[in-house]
Amino acid sequence: NAGVTQTPKFQVLKTGQSMTLQCAQDMNHEYMSWYRQDPGMGLRLIHYSVGAGITDQGEVPNGYNVSRSTTEDFPLRLLSAAPSQTSVYFCASSTNYEQYFGPGTRLTVT
Amino acid sequence: AQSVTQPDIHITVSEGASLELRCNYSYGATPYLFWYVQSPGQGLQLLLKYFSGDTLVQGIKGFEAEFKRSQSSFNLRKPSVHWSDAAEYFCAVANGGGAQKLVFGQGTRLTINP
Repeated sequence: NAGVTQTPKFQVLKTGQSMTLQCAQDMNHEYMSWYRQDPGMGLRLIHYSVGAGITDQGEVPNGYNVSRSTTEDFPLRLLSAAPSQTSVYFCASSTNYEQYFGPGTRLTVT
Repeated sequence: AQSVTQPDIHITVSEGASLELRCNYSYGATPYLFWYVQSPGQGLQLLLKYFSGDTLVQGIKGFEAEFKRSQSSFNLRKPSVHWSDAAEYFCAVANGGGAQKLVFGQGTRLTINP
């Protein structure tokens, strides 16, 4: 039982590049979320999903896309990376409001 | 919209001393409240949660928190801290809706002096 896994652990992008952050969970949770963590700002919700095929925007969705084709996977796509997207990204899955977090992806955009 | 405030950005306590981390929330109805801990370079781990019932909740690692509706607070306490408690602590609130979305406070970084 791996819980929530995220890849890659670290990534450096140039401005304008695109990439996908992968997230997978093996707990059969319906709810999954993506957060970004910036110093002094806590975690802010980017996008979330209440089940396969259903996604919605969170607090800071601009510049990011998500899809949920299976219960297990919830990838986050950066369409055209900007320096303002330099952050640590966490994926979480939840049941009964208890969120289980992945180890995070540290992204730097130069 | 709900919000969470953690007034203390950084707290330093001596090992063995008691600890209280403050959390204030803004939400109209009865909130679902959480405390998470993040060790350096790690993801977040749930310490404890409050949904309803007894306002004093016990969590893992010897932590407890008390829900005070009149003060809109959910402060985290530990009677005697250990060096391994050094971490960042986040308070969070959920609105009870179907999406299970959490709103997090800014976090409090805890340093332990030997």
